[in-house]
Amino acid sequence: SAVISQKPSRDICQRGTSLTIQCQVDSQVTMMFWYRQQPGQSLTLIATANQGSEATYESGFVIDKFPISRPNLTFSTLTVSNMSPEDSSIYLCSVEIARGTGELFFGEGSRLTVL
Amino acid sequence: AQKVTQAQTEISVVEKEDVTLDCVYETRDTTYYLFWYKQPPSGELVFLIRRNSFDEQNEISGRYSWNFQKSTSSFNFTITASQVVDSAVYFCALSPRSNYQLIWGAGTKLIIKP
Repeated sequence: SAVISQKPSRDICQRGTSLTIQCQVDSQVTMMFWYRQQPGQSLTLIATANQGSEATYESGFVIDKFPISRPNLTFSTLTVSNMSPEDSSIYLCSVEIARGTGELFFGEGSRLTVL
Repeated sequence: AQKVTQAQTEISVVEKEDVTLDCVYETRDTTYYLFWYKQPPSGELVFLIRRNSFDEQNEISGRYSWNFQKSTSSFNFTITASQVVDSAVYFCALSPRSNYQLIWGAGTKLIIKP
């Protein structure tokens, strides 16, 4: 398993501002992902955070809105840019410890409220 | 198409009752994984089980059991003698071998009343 720490755990933000969420893992992992969970909904994959290269974004998500950094195998950040109330969600970092198994471990999530 | 259906949006039972959460999936892949995750009110996601498509053996872990039937493309989850602490949203997910991405069901909110 893995211990995944996310910061901040929650925040209230003003429209038009940006917020960066950090994800720290206690071991080196190859695959790291960012998910969004809108209120009452299931999880939607935003992107795969690739170490040393640009993130791979899913349909409907773009780098300008959700820039991601992955400087090493234990750390990643997701920025939610120019926020609007529609961005109010839980943002979850997850990792795949055993490559190719699809078995994900999740951080506790960052609950953002945009006013 | 790759899809996971959790038809039960919300289930409410009284403590100590048994409850089954349904999960039906669709995939063209012959190799895939199925998962169940629990999301308690605190928000974090907790991994419960992973099942390989080649392993149709049912699994039991304490009060939890899973019934995997490829013939009906179902992977149902049963909680025996439910407890209030079981109250959570439960997600079923599919990982087709072709792309390793997780396809999530909509979740079932389980409410256990004392």
